[in-house]
Amino acid sequence: DAGVTQSPTHLIKTRGQQVTLRCSPKSGHDTVSWYQQALGQGPQFIFQYYEEEERQRGNFPDRFSGHQFPNYSSELNVNALLLGDSALYLCASSLVSRRNAYNEQFFGPGTRLTVL
Amino acid sequence: GENVEQHPSTLSVQEGDSAVIKCTYSDSASNYFPWYKQELGKRPQLIIDIRSNVGEKKDQRIAVTLNKTAKHFSLHITETQPEDSAVYFCAASTGNNNDMRFGAGTRLTVKP
Repeated sequence: DAGVTQSPTHLIKTRGQQVTLRCSPKSGHDTVSWYQQALGQGPQFIFQYYEEEERQRGNFPDRFSGHQFPNYSSELNVNALLLGDSALYLCASSLVSRRNAYNEQFFGPGTRLTVL
Repeated sequence: GENVEQHPSTLSVQEGDSAVIKCTYSDSASNYFPWYKQELGKRPQLIIDIRSNVGEKKDQRIAVTLNKTAKHFSLHITETQPEDSAVYFCAASTGNNNDMRFGAGTRLTVKP
């Protein structure tokens, strides 16, 4: 049973470029959340995808966009990269409960993005 | 939106002592409070969680308490060991992982 996987592991980009990060959820999970973790900080919620739609969004600009595919995998896209976008990007998967009860969230290993 | 504050930012204890980390939250609708342990260069790992209908939960050396009225919750680690050294994060959400907010983290160092 594979856990949450992310690719690539590391990425170096320059300002103004665009980047796409990928996440495959844990087997049986249908929901993917994305987080940005700056060095020495806690993860900051970017957005969450369920049934191929964005369900909730944190305080991030429109340069951050995402997608969820029918197989529940997800992509995070960041346009017009800024130096401040350098961070560890984590995705987490979970299974939505029909009764809105909370289900454990599993994190992937993250993608470390460096913007020069 | 939810705002989670965590204290202290760093904590150093002697092996065998107890460690306590405290968090406060602002959104009274929050009903789920997980704690994560993150070792250097690794992903956050869930160590314990508590729901708003419970006041305390214990798992071996780890316990969490929740005070809904005061909107604060705490992590207690007893008989600390060097392998407990890591960064610990508290978080709060309103269910289904929507809009989960994390504290800034506590770097715990357990000295042998």
